Parts: sequence; C-alpha cells; structure tokens
Amino acid sequence: KAGVTQTPRYLIKTRGQQVTLSCSPISGHRSVSWYQQTPGQGLQFLFEYFSETQRNKGNFPGRFSGRQFSNSRSEMNVSTLELGDSALYLCASSSVRNSYEQYFGPGTRLTVT
Amino acid sequence: EDKVVQSPLSLVVHEGDTVTLNCSYEVTNFRSLLWYKQEKKAPTFLFMLTSSGIEKKSGRLSSILDKKELFSILNITATQTGDSAVYLCAVLGGAGGTSYGKLTFGQGTILTVHP
Repeated sequence: KAGVTQTPRYLIKTRGQQVTLSCSPISGHRSVSWYQQTPGQGLQFLFEYFSETQRNKGNFPGRFSGRQFSNSRSEMNVSTLELGDSALYLCASSSVRNSYEQYFGPGTRLTVT
Repeated sequence: EDKVVQSPLSLVVHEGDTVTLNCSYEVTNFRSLLWYKQEKKAPTFLFMLTSSGIEKKSGRLSSILDKKELFSILNITATQTGDSAVYLCAVLGGAGGTSYGKLTFGQGTILTVHP
C-alpha cells in the first residue's frame, strides 16, 4: 500500500506570495490532518478534514486555509507569506473516523525569503 | 489548553544501554496517546495506547500508559545507533467532536546512541 504523498517536497517563496501544498492520503483513508513543524514551536496542528469537511482547526491565522476533495486528497494554502511561515508542513492520514492512528507524509519544506 | 510534556529533552547513551522516555499530559477528555520516531524526515508511527496498564511491545521497544497519573513511558532496550532519533509523544483528546484529527505533540526527546 502506498504511503502518504506530499507535493512539492521543497519550495522557496518570497514574502507576500501565496503557496498551495498538496497531500494524497493512503488509499482508503478519509481523514487528513495538517501540521506545521518548526524548530522553535515543534509540531503544531493546523486543521483536519474528513469527507470534504473541516472538522477541527488549530490556532493559526486566517491566512492558512485548506480543503479536501471527494477523492480525499487535500490541499492547504497560505496567503501573504511571512518569513515566519518557513517550516516543514506535514500531512497525516487516518482511516478510522476518530483519526486515532495518523500516518505522516514526507512533508513539504517551505522556505520564505 | 491541552499540554504534553516530554522528558528528558535529550539523552546520550551507548549501544546496549536501556533508556526510558517519559511523557506526561493534560488534555480534555483523553482519547489516546501515540508515540512517533522522527529521524531526518516525517514522524513514523510506533505505538498507540488507549488503555491503562496494558503494555504494547514491538521488538526492543515497549510502552505503557497510566491514565490515572496521566503519563506514558517508552522503553528501548539494548539500544543501537539506529535508534538515534527524536521521539515524539502526542495525545488525542477533546469532546464532542472537537478532537477529530488533532494531535497535541510534546517537544520531543532527542536520543543519541553512540557506538
């Protein structure tokens, strides 16, 4: 079974631009969660989608948004990029309704200059 | 606010040693606790614990949960250099649907195993 895939793996953007990251969950998994990982803050929850609906959201500004498609693939978008948005963005998928066991993708390394 | 605290933050041992990593938590309506191993890439799943006192074991790794005292430990016996990584503890909690998909992570324990 293929794992969680994320594209692109690396991205360099400048301040003020916007970016879209993509995540394809493990086949059959319907829940996708997004996390931001930085050296200072560790892993922080962004949001979670299940059946195209956002079920939970972390404490991030509205510049961070996401969506999920009918095939469970998910995208997250960050608008008006700031230097502090430089991070590893990880998505995790889960098969059970309550998202207990989450399996992570390789991440997208975003650098904002 | 949900909180997960891991200790120690870093640990240096020699091959063959046994290590114990700690994770304490304060969450609303605890559902499960998960352990992950992270090397220079995404976290890989190790264990999920939902019941107190039941040890989960995989090779040289084992983990147990104490829901009364709100902590978990991860043991690694006969450590190898390949065990060097960051070990992350995460908790799923909340009520009424608000916990869906949200893991609260500890800051991690950096384990270094020297030959």
